[in-house]
Amino acid sequence: GENVEQHPSTLSVQEGDSAVIKCTYSDSASNYFPWYKQELGKRPQLIIDIRSNVGEKKDQRIAVTLNKTAKHFSLHITETQPEDSAVYFCAASGIGTASKLTFGTGTRLQVTL
Amino acid sequence: GAVVSQHPSRVICKSGTSVKIECRSLDFQATTMFWYRQFPKKSLMLMATSNEGSKATYEQGVEKDKFLINHASLTLSTLTVTSAHPEDSSFYICSASDGPKLFFGSGTQLSVL
Repeated sequence: GENVEQHPSTLSVQEGDSAVIKCTYSDSASNYFPWYKQELGKRPQLIIDIRSNVGEKKDQRIAVTLNKTAKHFSLHITETQPEDSAVYFCAASGIGTASKLTFGTGTRLQVTL
Repeated sequence: GAVVSQHPSRVICKSGTSVKIECRSLDFQATTMFWYRQFPKKSLMLMATSNEGSKATYEQGVEKDKFLINHASLTLSTLTVTSAHPEDSSFYICSASDGPKLFFGSGTQLSVL
């Protein structure tokens, strides 16, 4: 089955700096890679996703890059703000409604003033 | 994004009792829903895939007689934790697919005394 590794487990940045979270996956058949943000006690919220036919996707301060050859994808947050503080999870799956998502272990991002 | 509703948000029960958790897709039909368990500061662990009109598919190590899943309609899946014990205390969260994107319910914090 799929195995997703995520690093770092914790990340502390100053407000305004950039944050980068990296994930690797094992199953070359995976072709859908979403990122979720989870605040304490809340549900995970989909913040951005990318499919394998795209190398990069950007949405305002958030971007995701994918290197399918290396089985590696990353989340980039620029101009971080205190409200970006949360746990971020990467995930991987095949395309389709019945495709199971395999989650990374999570990164706790702390944005300090 | 699509809306997934989950109830109750919190339940406290005595050891040996059963607890039912409901997961509803409010504005879309979901032939497949997923149930996850999350321990504090940990990632989401897939427990089972709930299929409308058929038996759920359980992940390895998850007791199907302990965690009963029913997906009777395209908008409702239920998870029943039978004969709950303190070790079943956890955050349970459901999700449903709207196309390839996965949306989560708000989660249920189960505490077994």
